[in-house]
Amino acid sequence: DTAVSQTPKYLVTQMGNDKSIKCEQNLGHDTMYWYKQDSKKFLKIMFSYNNKELIINETVPNRFSPKSPDKAHLNLHINSLELGDSAVYFCASSQVAGGRTEAFFGQGTRLTVV
Amino acid sequence: RKEVEQDPGPFNVPEGATVAFNCTYSNSASQSFFWYRQDCRKEPKLLMSVYSSGNEDGRFTAQLNRASQYISLLIRDSKLSDSATYLCVVNEGTDKLIFGTGTRLQVFP
Repeated sequence: DTAVSQTPKYLVTQMGNDKSIKCEQNLGHDTMYWYKQDSKKFLKIMFSYNNKELIINETVPNRFSPKSPDKAHLNLHINSLELGDSAVYFCASSQVAGGRTEAFFGQGTRLTVV
Repeated sequence: RKEVEQDPGPFNVPEGATVAFNCTYSNSASQSFFWYRQDCRKEPKLLMSVYSSGNEDGRFTAQLNRASQYISLLIRDSKLSDSATYLCVVNEGTDKLIFGTGTRLQVFP
């Protein structure tokens, strides 16, 4: 059983399109994240939700809109895709255990905008 | 100054070598610390947490120095399978996990 699963794994689309990436976790965690890993391999936090509430919103264009219908799901919708949006997007979930937060990642969605 | 800084490497070492990575963080209020490992084209996976007293897991030893705000990872008796990127991760509170840029390790025969 995959703990954090995201779909699709690969996404190739044209500039200007709107696309969504879905994420689900079956770990019962309260917190979910979206991270972006660019071509230089730098993993940067975009959003964090705790129990369906947005708690972290880093400096991300408002073309990116996360939605959390329940605490097991966190989807990412991207409007008007640009070339610079090409990256690998990772979903993650975490739970505080023994005073520490440990995160588990999905396999990533490799987005290519052409 | 970046929130979490690491030497990107690559560190090229022979099998059996001992290699050490360091990481510095800027937020003195950071609460917990981790090392993650990321293989090529894969997701990051937790390698080990880092405790103030230092902790060991097999060939891996992690240390935290709060006064100097740095974290280290020591790998003894390197294996080919240790080749990966090692990510230093800092929890700044409210579940905000900040990743370093990663240090690439290549172990050769």
